[in-house]
Amino acid sequence: DADVTQTPRNRITKTGKRIMLECSQTKGHDRMYWYRQDPGLGLRLIYYSFDVKDINKGEISDGYSVSRQAQAKFSLSLESAIPNQTALYFCATSDFGTISTDTQYFGPGTRLTVL
Amino acid sequence: AQKVTQAQTEISVVEKEDVTLDCVYETRDTTYYLFWYKQPPSGELVFLIRRNSFDEQNEISGRYSWNFQKSTSSFNFTITASQVVDSAVYFCALSEWRAGGYQKVTFGTGTKLQVIP
Repeated sequence: DADVTQTPRNRITKTGKRIMLECSQTKGHDRMYWYRQDPGLGLRLIYYSFDVKDINKGEISDGYSVSRQAQAKFSLSLESAIPNQTALYFCATSDFGTISTDTQYFGPGTRLTVL
Repeated sequence: AQKVTQAQTEISVVEKEDVTLDCVYETRDTTYYLFWYKQPPSGELVFLIRRNSFDEQNEISGRYSWNFQKSTSSFNFTITASQVVDSAVYFCALSEWRAGGYQKVTFGTGTKLQVIP
């Protein structure tokens, strides 16, 4: 089984709808991240969380919110989806410790289309 | 400012050719990490390698090798005897530490490699 899972894998929705993307991990990592990937722009950080009580904004948090329900679960919400939020969304996890161990491992991605 | 440049947007090679993917980075930190990830057509991101700024030894893993040169701020990735399964988008990334232990990771825009049979 995959260590980092994302649901749904694909979603098509309409402008103005509320959408939630979910991420679960079995790696036991403290840190979790949400990124979006757009063609030609690489990956950009939306939110990150060091633990259940520590959530921080990334580069492009406007229009998004997150919830860290447990160490293993980190959800991303689009309160009112708009077409320019059409992208591939990735969840990632990493293990807090020495810098030498802080590698990010990614989920399979969620392809979101906002019409 | 932290920046990662992958100047090659797309590369096409014929199977069994060697290919090098370039990565140039900018950072003011003395301690940082560099990564390569592979994104095959199926879309997932696969971790390939992590390198810290204090270790300039080149690394080889099977057909993959990495050349880290601090003097030129480069971390290039070479695939020897390329295969069709190597076709993917490859991302280089730079990780720096910030206050509170936050790991700021900056990704390059990726290089799409197509290996033609």
